[in-house]
Amino acid sequence: SQTIHQWPATLVQPVGSPLSLECTVEGTSNPNLYWYRQAAGRGLQLLFYSVGIGQISSEVPQNLSASRPQDRQFILSSKKLLLSDSGFYLCAWSAGRDNQPQHFGDGTRLSIL
Amino acid sequence: DAKTTQPNSMESNEEEPVHLPCNHSTISGTDYIHWYRQLPSQGPEYVIHGLTSNVNNRMASLAIAEDRKSSTLILHRATLRDAAVYYCILTNYGGSQGNLIFGKGTKLSVKP
Repeated sequence: SQTIHQWPATLVQPVGSPLSLECTVEGTSNPNLYWYRQAAGRGLQLLFYSVGIGQISSEVPQNLSASRPQDRQFILSSKKLLLSDSGFYLCAWSAGRDNQPQHFGDGTRLSIL
Repeated sequence: DAKTTQPNSMESNEEEPVHLPCNHSTISGTDYIHWYRQLPSQGPEYVIHGLTSNVNNRMASLAIAEDRKSSTLILHRATLRDAAVYYCILTNYGGSQGNLIFGKGTKLSVKP
């Protein structure tokens, strides 16, 4: 069966520091991968999605970036964090076919001080 | 994306069936109906999805109205672990993109 791993579960970072969140998927090949952010009390916002290695599409302009160095690895990064980057970051995967459900990781709760 | 309307909250007793409604009067012919749920401090969990016919899986059943303007998620026997926010979402995207637009959902409380 397929599993998705996301770490760390919680992270506290100072303003201006770099960020690297990692997500890996097991048990499937060539998945679509997604990064979402959920601000406190609000809905999910799609940040990036990827249909293959090195292929990244950005949905929202910001100081975050994403990379997909391997088929089942998706990384969310920032060179300098802002206070507004605080939130709950979720990675998800889906099969690369139309209208397939997305399966989410447990998320990373990021607090910026 | 077409929008959905759900009640803000519902209550159920443990071991009783729960019917969670969703209205989507502007649904297009190619929109799929997806249901997800989210427990506090966890990522969303896929529950079920369908296009036109009713669907059943190990978690729930999805009843879709004949005109597709509404649907109902059915939990056959609610447990305390089913207490969550349930989201009804319409999707109509190709395999290359999948922006799930989560509304406010229905907060389900289950009483023992």
